Amino acid sequence: DAGVIQSPRHEVTEMGQEVTLRCKPISGHDYLFWYRQTMMRGLELLIYFNNNVPIDDSGMPEDRFSAKMPNASFSTLKIQPSEPRDSAVYFCATLRGLGEQFFGPGTRLTVL
Amino acid sequence: GDSVTQMEGPVTLSEEAFLTINCTYTATGYPSLFWYVQYPGEGLQLLLKATKADDKGSNKGFEATYRKETTSFHLEKGSVQVSDSAVYFCALSDMDTGRRALTFGSGTRLQVQP
Repeated sequence: DAGVIQSPRHEVTEMGQEVTLRCKPISGHDYLFWYRQTMMRGLELLIYFNNNVPIDDSGMPEDRFSAKMPNASFSTLKIQPSEPRDSAVYFCATLRGLGEQFFGPGTRLTVL
Repeated sequence: GDSVTQMEGPVTLSEEAFLTINCTYTATGYPSLFWYVQYPGEGLQLLLKATKADDKGSNKGFEATYRKETTSFHLEKGSVQVSDSAVYFCALSDMDTGRRALTFGSGTRLQVQP
């Protein structure tokens, strides 16, 4: 298996622009998580899904952030409009049942 | 809420030195405990885990024991190598509540010098 796939790996955009991050989970995994990593706040959960249904979105910073999982093979995290404080590394992770979480390589977002 | 506290880094050691990275936790339920490792430019990889009190997780020479009485899960290795240089994260997942998301500590950077 190719593991968790994230795209793009790097994104540089200007403040106010829309940003879409993508994640393809490992086949058969029924949980999908979006985490954000910054120097100031460390690793924090944004949202997670179980069987494509959002379970906990309490970590989503504000209305500018939205996440979807239209099917078991794909999820997106969208920021509109983006701000410089959104600059971070965004990780997608997936797991099956009681197993371990597998992390993707991350998307490094820079908002100028 | 749940939280994880781990020692500040960076930790700088010479090759073959003994490593300890302290981790303590606070949880409302009975959590599972994990150590993840992050190499430069990569995602996190599970290093080891323990799911109940007194369990010892081990992998690649690293060990950690789930100590419920002290709410700790310290990471140890008897002889570190340069290739162990990375950032190490302690984390928990509160399975009692059915919550699968991980709560992470702040991470500890380890630098091993030849």
